Amino acid sequence: SQQGEEDPQALSIQEGENATMNCSYKTSINNLQWYRQNSGRGLVHLILIRSNEREKHSGRLRVTLDTSKKSSSLLITASRAADTASYFCATGLSGSRLTFGEGTQLTVNP
Amino acid sequence: GAGVSQSPSNKVTEKGKDVELRCDPISGHTALYWYRQSLGQGLEFLIYFQGNSAPDKSGLPSDRFSAERTGGSVSTLTIQRTQQEDSAVYLCASSLADISGYTFGSGTRLTVV
Repeated sequence: SQQGEEDPQALSIQEGENATMNCSYKTSINNLQWYRQNSGRGLVHLILIRSNEREKHSGRLRVTLDTSKKSSSLLITASRAADTASYFCATGLSGSRLTFGEGTQLTVNP
Repeated sequence: GAGVSQSPSNKVTEKGKDVELRCDPISGHTALYWYRQSLGQGLEFLIYFQGNSAPDKSGLPSDRFSAERTGGSVSTLTIQRTQQEDSAVYLCASSLADISGYTFGSGTRLTVV
């Protein structure tokens, strides 16, 4: 079964609003990563947060990690139409590979 | 190279034929991964290489699927006797270490008719 599960499955917002996506996972991790995918092709790495970190920022992205609840959230502030994409969380453990969730489809309307 | 390169970008094949998909990772990346993605779905893990060895091939769906990596670089995923359910986008990624961020290629869209 998938390790990460994103919530919601789909999100539609207006340009300028903030978008929040959540991810839950089941087992121990070393790190959690978020990726973006446009048009069903290659994924682009956005941000990596380690298991001993609680929050991380990169530009308009803010990621939180709560290992006690086995959950993470991705916040995109001041969204733009170009942010329209699918967003995936992925969990990693040393010596293994990333396990991806099913993704959240974000639509930002101009 | 500058990124992960996959070829071909699109492949249409007849049911029962064999196909080979190629992945050229970023130079120096020791870890290489194959995933596949059906339309509108998440990523399904296939196989993971560390150097030339495959510590985890648990995701290969059947013995029709095999993969190899030579020289710690290029990898080939082979699907024998293709079936319609093999139709998907096959994604390759590489990373410096197995707990680093991945760099993905643009994928190979395989259509079995």
